[in-house]
Amino acid sequence: NAGVTQTPKFQVLKTGQSMTLQCAQDMNHNSMYWYRQDPGMGLRLIYYSASEGTTDKGEVPNGYNVSRLNKREFSLRLESAAPSQTSVYFCASSAGETYGYTFGSGTRLTVV
Amino acid sequence: KNQVEQSPQSLIILEGKNCTLQCNYTVSPFSNLRWYKQDTGRGPVSLTIMTFSENTKSNGRYTATLDADTKQSSLHITASQLSDSASYICVVSPRQAGTALIFGKGTTLSVSS
Repeated sequence: NAGVTQTPKFQVLKTGQSMTLQCAQDMNHNSMYWYRQDPGMGLRLIYYSASEGTTDKGEVPNGYNVSRLNKREFSLRLESAAPSQTSVYFCASSAGETYGYTFGSGTRLTVV
Repeated sequence: KNQVEQSPQSLIILEGKNCTLQCNYTVSPFSNLRWYKQDTGRGPVSLTIMTFSENTKSNGRYTATLDADTKQSSLHITASQLSDSASYICVVSPRQAGTALIFGKGTTLSVSS
């Protein structure tokens, strides 16, 4: 089925460990996004990529890095995980700013 | 400050009943307003997208309305089903290019039999 695929679905890290969240879309969308969702808060943008080869910071980029590997893949890296990064992370893609977003099913990350 | 406020925070209704969820926003100018449905443990799924010039948009039993003058939107669900139990999120896209979408915190709807 077409859509956005995120891996892993669940992850537990110790403080200071690093990891990369993977995201791939097969809809030929130009734009891709990483969001985090915390209880009682709306989704917040971490980083986005308007097109292959470009990335920009969103609302909450500190502690994260991203790579737009090609048009399909957009990864999110935590270099030194902190408990404040415990959250559910969603990757999304769209054909452009005026189009709807397609979200992945999320990665539930716990940092202990 | 650009904000999107949704009400009520949560709602419980009986299967078959109708309900209306509210969204008030301060984003101006904006290019479009979206409603998403998020099932527990899943990513949000788009229900409707309305530009600032549209007043209403339907998707099956879901009907969204927009009043750009009062900066209010509503999502009306007709003949609710158990599968409608989810969080419904209002999202506003500022017109300024490169500005991130602004998400509301969502309304949690529970439909009981």
